[in-house]
Amino acid sequence: KQEVTQIPAALSVPEGENLVLNCSFTDSAIYNLQWFRQDPGKGLTSLLLIQSSQREQTSGRLNASLDKSSGRSTLYIAASQPGDSATYLCAVRPSTNAGKSTFGDGTTLTVKP
Amino acid sequence: DTGVSQNPRHKITKRGQNVTFRCDPISEHNRLYWYRQTLGQGPEFLTYFQNEAQLEKSRLLSDRFSAERPKGSFSTLEIQRTEQGDSAMYLCASSFSTSRGETDTQYFGPGTRLTVL
Repeated sequence: KQEVTQIPAALSVPEGENLVLNCSFTDSAIYNLQWFRQDPGKGLTSLLLIQSSQREQTSGRLNASLDKSSGRSTLYIAASQPGDSATYLCAVRPSTNAGKSTFGDGTTLTVKP
Repeated sequence: DTGVSQNPRHKITKRGQNVTFRCDPISEHNRLYWYRQTLGQGPEFLTYFQNEAQLEKSRLLSDRFSAERPKGSFSTLEIQRTEQGDSAMYLCASSFSTSRGETDTQYFGPGTRLTVL
């Protein structure tokens, strides 16, 4: 059974700091890994999708990396802003490409002005 | 493209009542997923459809839960005889999967928050 862990559960940083969020998974047989952002009481917004054959993806100030062999992914946020405050979730899809994605419980980020 | 929409956004019901939620996916997406999320947790997979076929159901989906996707367009999730433990945010997502099985990004709707009194 796939298990996804995100540590820390909460993180507070001053504005402008670069930061890294971590996601680890127990079964390396994955199809892809997706990072999402969730604002309080809202749905999920997709940030980055990394296919199992890829090592990293970039979008603006965000960079996500994937190391399947070690079961780890990181989301790097450069020059953080108060608007980045949200909960960040990672989700892995199994290599069978079945519909089921397994999510971590997220890291709640607070960026202080 | 208006994204994934869900209705209602909020539902308050009494224990024992039946409720139904609706999800309208992005129009060209052939996959549709339902998840449940409780406070402080990540979403938990419930079920998914490829076109109109329901291909996978979680053990979380007890016999009180049923989902349909007639004609492969919108989907409904019904909960019968609701219990207080059913209180949660119910999220719908959609994606496009090619004939070769390549699957793109999941796009989520805003969710339906269910409160069972």
